[in-house]
Amino acid sequence: EVQLVESGGGLVQPGGSLRLSCAASGITFTKYWMNWVRQVPGKGLVWVSRINTDGRSTSYADSMKGRLSISRDNAKNTVSLQMNNLSPEDTAVYFCASAHYDISTGHLGPFDNWGQGTQVIVSS
Amino acid sequence: SYVLTQSSSVSVAPGKTAKITCDGNNIGNKNVHWYQQKSGQAPVLVVYNDRDRPSGIPERFSGSNSGNTATLIISRVEAGDEADYYCQVWDGGSDSWVFGGGTELTVL
Repeated sequence: EVQLVESGGGLVQPGGSLRLSCAASGITFTKYWMNWVRQVPGKGLVWVSRINTDGRSTSYADSMKGRLSISRDNAKNTVSLQMNNLSPEDTAVYFCASAHYDISTGHLGPFDNWGQGTQVIVSS
Repeated sequence: SYVLTQSSSVSVAPGKTAKITCDGNNIGNKNVHWYQQKSGQAPVLVVYNDRDRPSGIPERFSGSNSGNTATLIISRVEAGDEADYYCQVWDGGSDSWVFGGGTELTVL
């Protein structure tokens, strides 16, 4: 059974930092790009960041660029998102999601697995 | 950056067919994926690469993609299909994933 389990969410003051983690099981972790997606309550899904299979390539949503750092540990099957200088607008549920990458064809698949999300609340 | 536009809501009677559209510039040249999200739950992939279904997804879910519009088609709609549906594409030009704004499906 595939499981993605997020952790690290919570209440943080404006200007503070938080590190989210996602532990994967049931998949060959090194064959997946890993992603973070956020959702403000009552609003839509917004892609936040992604990291490729070996961790050497990353990208970020323009709205959060400069405040984020994504990393992965393929030995522990985990991906992390460091978020700095948080504002109340960053309050959301943050989901971890995997996308299969076929190294032989260069084909990137959809988000076939999702975690249940971790809540981040930025408030004084 | 690439933009995907979805209508905010669609209503359909049980047993009928629901069509949820996703508009984007030349979206027909991209692979479109669709997700279902029920209240309080994580999203679930229901259609990928325009028209393929993951295992476990009923055949009632299908898709099409041409020109500037991709469509998720749900046949013989059931009460359990009531959810928010999101389209998604990979925008290689900006090295980013893009989601549509989501469509709320109401089963009358």
